[in-house]
Amino acid sequence: DQQVKQNSPSLSVQEGRISILNCDYTNSMFDYFLWYKKYPAEGPTFLISISSIKDKNEDGRFTVFLNKSAKHLSLHIVPSQPGDSAVYFCAARGGQGKLIFGQGTELSVKP
Amino acid sequence: DGGITQSPKYLFRKEGQNVTLSCEQNLNHDAMYWYRQDPGQGLRLIYYSQIVNDFQKGDIAEGYSVSREKKESFPLTVTSAQKNPTAFYLCASSIDNGGVPQPQHFGDGTRLSIL
Repeated sequence: DQQVKQNSPSLSVQEGRISILNCDYTNSMFDYFLWYKKYPAEGPTFLISISSIKDKNEDGRFTVFLNKSAKHLSLHIVPSQPGDSAVYFCAARGGQGKLIFGQGTELSVKP
Repeated sequence: DGGITQSPKYLFRKEGQNVTLSCEQNLNHDAMYWYRQDPGQGLRLIYYSQIVNDFQKGDIAEGYSVSREKKESFPLTVTSAQKNPTAFYLCASSIDNGGVPQPQHFGDGTRLSIL
């Protein structure tokens, strides 16, 4: 049973426009959510996180929104740059600090 | 520079052999984790350890074993019992501070292939 889902395997946007990556979860007990960025043959790099007591967290071009009633998380990247092209994973913290990851969304930002 | 080092980057194994993947961190993190990544499936937790000399099974521990004799090191052994070991293996660590959420930081991975 997939507790964290990223339903879009890929997303393509033009440079300078907004990228919106989505993530849904099923467990209302998750208390902390994270986004990671991953290039091929490298480990994921932490991008931004949000606690379940907040609904928005911003860091430069990256903003994460949390809608607890809908059990939905999104990452906005504005403006998108070609260097943002990568696979993005959302993750939720469950019991004992374990992270549960979505399947990933491959973002392609075209010049 | 602090970080997590995984070695080797590429590893080949003959069927029936055990193989050990190395993970070392100098971040002074208490908790360490092993994940497996397969195409289209995200990261799945194999084993984790929150303190030296203690570790717990993750979601897909069958066919794997670990040890945590030192804080800095968390090696993963892929045994011959693991029927589909070809994958990208990722090690991570984090501060375990008793509840305040902290992100996990990852190494660059080891790609294991069966000959």
